[in-house]
Order: sequence, then C-alpha cells, then structure tokens
Amino acid sequence: KAGVTQTPRYLIKTRGQQVTLSCSPISGHRSVSWYQQTPGQGLQFLFEYFSETQRNKGNFPGRFSGRQFSNSRSEMNVSTLELGDSALYLCASSLGLARFNEQFFGPGTRLTVL
Amino acid sequence: GQQLNQSPQSMFIQEGEDVSMNCTSSSIFNTWLWYKQDPGEGPVLLIALYKAGELTSNGRLTAQFGITRKDSFLNISASIPSDVGIYFCAGLTQGGSEKLVFGKGTKLTVNP
Repeated sequence: KAGVTQTPRYLIKTRGQQVTLSCSPISGHRSVSWYQQTPGQGLQFLFEYFSETQRNKGNFPGRFSGRQFSNSRSEMNVSTLELGDSALYLCASSLGLARFNEQFFGPGTRLTVL
Repeated sequence: GQQLNQSPQSMFIQEGEDVSMNCTSSSIFNTWLWYKQDPGEGPVLLIALYKAGELTSNGRLTAQFGITRKDSFLNISASIPSDVGIYFCAGLTQGGSEKLVFGKGTKLTVNP
C-alpha cells in the first residue's frame, strides 16, 4: 500500500508570491491534516480536512488555506509569502476525523522563501 | 496557547546506553503520543498513551503517561545506531476541537 505522498518535495519562492502544495493520502484514508515544521517553533498544526470540509484549524493567519477533493487529495495554499513561511510542510492522513493516534505522515515539502 | 516543554533538546550517547527524555506542560492532555523523525522523512508514531499512569512498551522503548496528565516520559534502553533521529512528544487537547500540540523535539545522536 503506497504511503502518503507530497508534491513537490522542494520549492523556492520569493516574498509576495503564493504557493500551492499537494498531498495524496493513503488509499482509503479520508482525513488529511497539515502541519508546519520550523526549527524555532517546531511542529504546528495548521488544519484538518475530512469529507472535503475543514474540521479543525490551528492558529495561523488567513493567508494559509486549504481544500480537499472528493478523492481525499488535499492542497494547501499560502498567499503573499513571507520569509517566515520558510518551513517543512507536512501532511498526514488517517482513516477518520481527528484520529491523530492513527495518522501517517508524508515526507513533507520543503518551502524556501527568498 | 498550549505549549509542551520537551527536554533535553539534544543528547549524545554511546551505543548501549539507556536514554530518557520527557515532556511537561501546564495544560492537561487526554492523550500523549511519541514520534520519531528521520532526516528527510515525516514523523513516525512510536507509542500512544491514553490513560494517566499508563506505561506502554514498544520493543526497547517505554513511555509513561504522567499521573497529573501534564507530563510524559520516553525511555530507550540499550541504544543502537539506528535510534539516531529526532524524538517528539505530542499532546492531544481535551474537548471541543481537538488538536495536536508538539514538543520541539529531542535530537538523539548515538556514537557506535
């Protein structure tokens, strides 16, 4: 069974641009959560999508948004990029909503903002 | 917001030694999770704890859910080189909208 895949793996953008990251969950998993990982702040929860609806949200500004498609694939968008948005963005999938103890993480997308 | 204090930040040990790390918080959690992250990979769940006082093992790893529900401990016995990585604790908040709060990690280096 294929694991969680994230594309692209690496991305370089400049301040003010926007970016879209993609996550394909494990087959059959309906929940996708997104996390930001930085050396300073560690791992922080962004949001969780289940059945195409955002169900939980962390404390991030509105520039961070996401969506989920009917096949459970999810995208995350960051608009008006800032230097501080440079981070590893991880997504994780699970069978059900808020099943954090059953999540499987992808390898992440490394975003660098110049 | 809720924060987890994880210590130590890093550890350098010899192969065969035992390792202990812990997480504390001013908030109560109803679930504690311990993860390991290898370079270039996402975190992998090692142990999940659901009840205050619970002690759970996974091979050479043992974790405990603190009796106050505000802390958790992870022990690794007889460390081996492949134990190298970053270990994270995470607490699941209670009630309402559930979220995972992570510690900042303990970077473990094992010298053969």
